Amino acid sequence: DIQMTQSPSSLSASVGDTVTITCRASQGIRDSLAWFQQKPGKAPKSLIYAASHVQGGVSSKFSGSGSGTDFTLTISSLQPEDFATYYCQQYSSYPVSFGGGTKVEIK
Amino acid sequence: EVQLLESGGGLVQPGGSLRLSCTASGLYFRGYAMSWVRQAPGKGLEWVSSMSGSSGSSANTPYYADSVKGRFTISRDNSNNVLFLQMDSLRGDDTAVYYCAEGGGGNSFDFWGQGTLVTVSS
Repeated sequence: DIQMTQSPSSLSASVGDTVTITCRASQGIRDSLAWFQQKPGKAPKSLIYAASHVQGGVSSKFSGSGSGTDFTLTISSLQPEDFATYYCQQYSSYPVSFGGGTKVEIK
Repeated sequence: EVQLLESGGGLVQPGGSLRLSCTASGLYFRGYAMSWVRQAPGKGLEWVSSMSGSSGSSANTPYYADSVKGRFTISRDNSNNVLFLQMDSLRGDDTAVYYCAEGGGGNSFDFWGQGTLVTVSS
């Protein structure tokens, strides 16, 4: 099974900051990596698929990179609506697995 | 516009059963793998089960997390665009919001339903 290790588990940032979240897979997954945003009481929302492709309708402030085992999500110019929990997910093989989440809070 | 609408959640006693449904619209349902993902209160996301689409050598093949294997059964009605999750022998640690998602089988989970809450308690 592939384990997904996400860091940090939480971070505090100010409006206007740029933040980076990392995700490491326990074995190579090519580019089969997605990033999701989740707000309290809401369903996850897909932001990035195939490691670096931004979903339609998602702001270009979100960007993803990486391949193989190491991946990053970068959020530029943080706005109040961006404060949420972010998850990575590998869908290269079953069982599908998620990172533990990163809670982005307002400083 | 893709819409996924879950139903069937509720309160059930340990050892009991529930059947969740997910009605899809706005997508070529039979062609896509579909999945269930759950989230226990205050916890992260956990993949539960997926079923492949209706084409190719792996048509309608089910996949399960070890935590639910032998207790949960995924199925789909491609004529009516509905995904099901039959949950038997429910335990307290199955308590979670269950989400239906389009994706699986090497494809990203692009669309999600709003979720349905399952509570297992006496």
